[in-house]
Order: sequence, then C-alpha cells, then structure tokens
Amino acid sequence: LAKTTQPISMDSYEGQEVNITCSHNNIATNDYITWYQQFPSQGPRFIIQGYKTKVTNEVASLFIPADRKSSTLSLPRVSLSDTAVYYCLVGLYNQGGKLIFGQGTELSVKP
Amino acid sequence: DVKVTQSSRYLVKRTGEKVFLECVQDMDHENMFWYRQDPGLGLRLIYFSYDVKMKEKGDIPEGYSVSREKKERFSLILESASTNQTSMYLCASGLREGFTEAFFGQGTRLTVV
Repeated sequence: LAKTTQPISMDSYEGQEVNITCSHNNIATNDYITWYQQFPSQGPRFIIQGYKTKVTNEVASLFIPADRKSSTLSLPRVSLSDTAVYYCLVGLYNQGGKLIFGQGTELSVKP
Repeated sequence: DVKVTQSSRYLVKRTGEKVFLECVQDMDHENMFWYRQDPGLGLRLIYFSYDVKMKEKGDIPEGYSVSREKKERFSLILESASTNQTSMYLCASGLREGFTEAFFGQGTRLTVV
C-alpha cells in the first residue's frame, strides 16, 4: 500500500480556507485517495474520495494533480467545529482490503 | 443509517485477564476492521476480516486474536491482557465490492490495571 505523508499539525482561524496536503509518491495506478475526519472521542468518518482532478462535496474539495503523487484537502471557511484530526489514505479500497491510516493532521481552528 | 455498535464504551480489566471486545454491524458488510488508537500514533490496524471465518493480520496483531463466526459480528480477543494494551479500540465495517468508505463504531476505551 502507498505510504502517505502529511503535516502533523496545522493552525487556522475561523473563516479561513484550510488546505491540507498529503504526499503519496508510490501511489499505484488503480489506487484511490480518501480522506477521513476524526473528532475527539469519536471514530473517524469519511469526508471525500477521489481518483484524479477535482472532487467536491458539501463538506470539502479534493484536488489531485495529474501525476497523483500528492493530494490536497480543502476546507472552505473553517469554523471551530472543524477542529479535528484529518487522515489521508491511499489504496485499492474499491475492491476491498486493508484500510491503513497514517498519523493524520491535527487541525486546530481558533476564534 | 449504517450502525456499527461496540459492546462497551469503557472497560477496566486486570492484567492477565482474557478480554473480549465485541462489534456488530447492521449493513451486511463483508469487511470488518479492528484498530487501536494511542496518542501520537494515530490509528493502527490490528486485524482485518473480509468474510466469515476469514482474517488477515494488520500492523500490530501481537497479543490479539479475532473471531468472525457470523457476518455481522467481529470480536477482538486479548488472550492475556497487559497494561500496554490500555488504549482506545475502534471497530469499523465496509463493503467489499465497490468499497468507498468505512463506518466506525464509537470506540471502547480499555484500561488494563
């Protein structure tokens, strides 16, 4: 499975756009990129998944360059409630298999 | 809504005890996972099951075993609990074909004294 690298932590202020970048240099041709969000004392929850270019949903956008060796999760106009740990995962999850999490990025949103 | 239910939210056990952590999902998912989460270490996969009676080791299987006799239930077993197994344990499930996302339970905070 492709190894991922993310910043350990990030700080932001309410109302700002936050971009969290994940590096995955060894991504395989059929791998998908998935992001999860975890609040304290809760299990992670799925945010967004993509294969290439850009994906947007009601929560976030995911930007994937042509070489797919990195991806960026974009959170528009964050609020205090977006304070959480964000995990980037890469793998052939659409065909089942182990789901391996890295250390994640701890995002702290301040007033 | 998909529901993944873990049998206990908090659990305190003594060193050497055999501990069972139970997880049940109600969406007929083939895949089920057990993780532990410790500060600074993220989520680490203990075991993964892709079908009844099938299992694969994750990154940290030592000291643990699992049982999946029915599709909806995945049990994590600590054969002889030790203090270094004090942790938050999270169960998850997901489809096998067309897998997009895993659904997590609320977690079991296990303390071994």
